[in-house]
Amino acid sequence: AQSVTQLDSHVSVSEGTPVLLRCNYSSSYSPSLFWYVQHPNKGLQLLLKYTSAATLVKGINGFEAEFKKSETSFHLTKPSAHMSDAAEYFCVVTPSGGYQKVTFGTGTKLQVIP
Amino acid sequence: GAVVSQHPSWVICKSGTSVKIECRSLDFQATTMFWYRQFPKQSLMLMATSNEGSKATYEQGVEKDKFLINHASLTLSTLTVTSAHPEDSSFYICSARDRLTSGSPSYNEQFFGPGTRLTVL
Repeated sequence: AQSVTQLDSHVSVSEGTPVLLRCNYSSSYSPSLFWYVQHPNKGLQLLLKYTSAATLVKGINGFEAEFKKSETSFHLTKPSAHMSDAAEYFCVVTPSGGYQKVTFGTGTKLQVIP
Repeated sequence: GAVVSQHPSWVICKSGTSVKIECRSLDFQATTMFWYRQFPKQSLMLMATSNEGSKATYEQGVEKDKFLINHASLTLSTLTVTSAHPEDSSFYICSARDRLTSGSPSYNEQFFGPGTRLTVL
C-alpha cells in the first residue's frame, strides 16, 4: 500500500521569501516521487521527479526537493517566491518498476503576497 | 516532447446527452493512459486505466457503463460520459505513459493533458 500526505492545505508566503511545501509518503516498495503544479483551470505540469538517482532533485523554475528515506519525506523548496508561483501543488508517489498506479496528495495551495 | 492534448478543452451540454472527450499523445506512443476527475479545490481522483487494445480497468465506485473508455490506438484514448447529469460536471484530466520507457524508472512518469471542463445543465 502507498499513501501521500501533504501536511499543509494552504501556504502563504511573501514575494521574495523562501517556499517550503511539505510531503510525506509511505510505500511498500522503493518509490518514485513527483511534484506537479497546477494553475487554475489548467492541467498538471511536472516540476521535478525522484526515481532512485540523486536524492536532491532540481526542477524547473528554481524548485528543488530532497528525498529523505529515513524521514519518508520529499519536501519541495524554492529560495525566493515569485508571484507566478501562486498555484496548487501536488505531491505524487508510485512504486518503482512501472505498471503501478500513482497516488496523489491532497494538494497545497500556495499564495504569494506582493 | 511528451505532449498530451485533450479535446475539447471545455464543453457545456444538456442533461441526458452524451459527451466524448479525446486524449491524444502527440509525440509519443502510450499503451497506458489514465483518466482522472477533479472536483473544485480537490485533488485528482483516478477513474480508470485505459489500456490499448483491451478493456479499461475502472476504479472502485466508478460506473463503467456511464464512463465509457476506448483506447483504440497507441496515441488516442476517449472517455464518453453517457447520459450526463449535473453531478457529472467536473474537470476531467487524462495522462499517458511513454511506452518506450517501459521497464525503466522513467516509465513511472505520467504526462498530463490540459484537462476538459464539463458542465452539464
